[in-house]
Amino acid sequence: NAGVTQTPKFQVLKTGQSMTLQCAQDMNHNSMYWYRQDPGMGLRLIYYSASEGTTDKGEVPNGYNVSRLNKREFSLRLESAAPSQTSVYFCASTPPGQVNTGELFFGEGSRLTVL
Amino acid sequence: AQSVTQLGSHVSVSEGALVLLRCNYSSSVPPYLFWYVQYPNQGLQLLLKYTTGATLVKGINGFEAEFKKSETSFHLTKPSAHMSDAAEYFCAVGVSGTYKYIFGTGTRLKVLA
Repeated sequence: NAGVTQTPKFQVLKTGQSMTLQCAQDMNHNSMYWYRQDPGMGLRLIYYSASEGTTDKGEVPNGYNVSRLNKREFSLRLESAAPSQTSVYFCASTPPGQVNTGELFFGEGSRLTVL
Repeated sequence: AQSVTQLGSHVSVSEGALVLLRCNYSSSVPPYLFWYVQYPNQGLQLLLKYTTGATLVKGINGFEAEFKKSETSFHLTKPSAHMSDAAEYFCAVGVSGTYKYIFGTGTRLKVLA
């Protein structure tokens, strides 16, 4: 029972490089989320997908793109990484039928450093 | 817009003492409120949540929180701190009419022996 799985767990990039963070959940959840966590700023929502085929911007979407590949997978792409994107990234999902009332299930995080 | 504010980025308590972590929310509609805990190098896990009904909510590991509409608060308490409670705690709100969840900036709890 894996829950929410994120890859990679660690990544170092140079400014301007691109990369994709992968997220998959095996709980048949509809909604999926990408957050970034920075010291003193808590978790900030980057993008979310209410259901397969839909994506929407969160609080801090600039510099990121997302793809909801299917019901299980939700990827986050940095097209041209910047040092300001150094952060810990968390993917999360919620059970169906619980619009903003359901528990968020989190992955273990992906620590990204941009030099 | 709905938001949450956590007062105190760091809180220290002695082992066995009362834990009180503060969270205030801003909302023009009945809020859905959550507390999550994050242990080092891990993801967040749910402690408890308030959606409707009883305003005193009990969670895991002996934590509880009370929804007080008049004070727009949802403070987290535990009668007796344990060393294993040392972690970062986040208050969050489910934004009404959307699928979004907004988090506070977090409170790091230190438990002193």
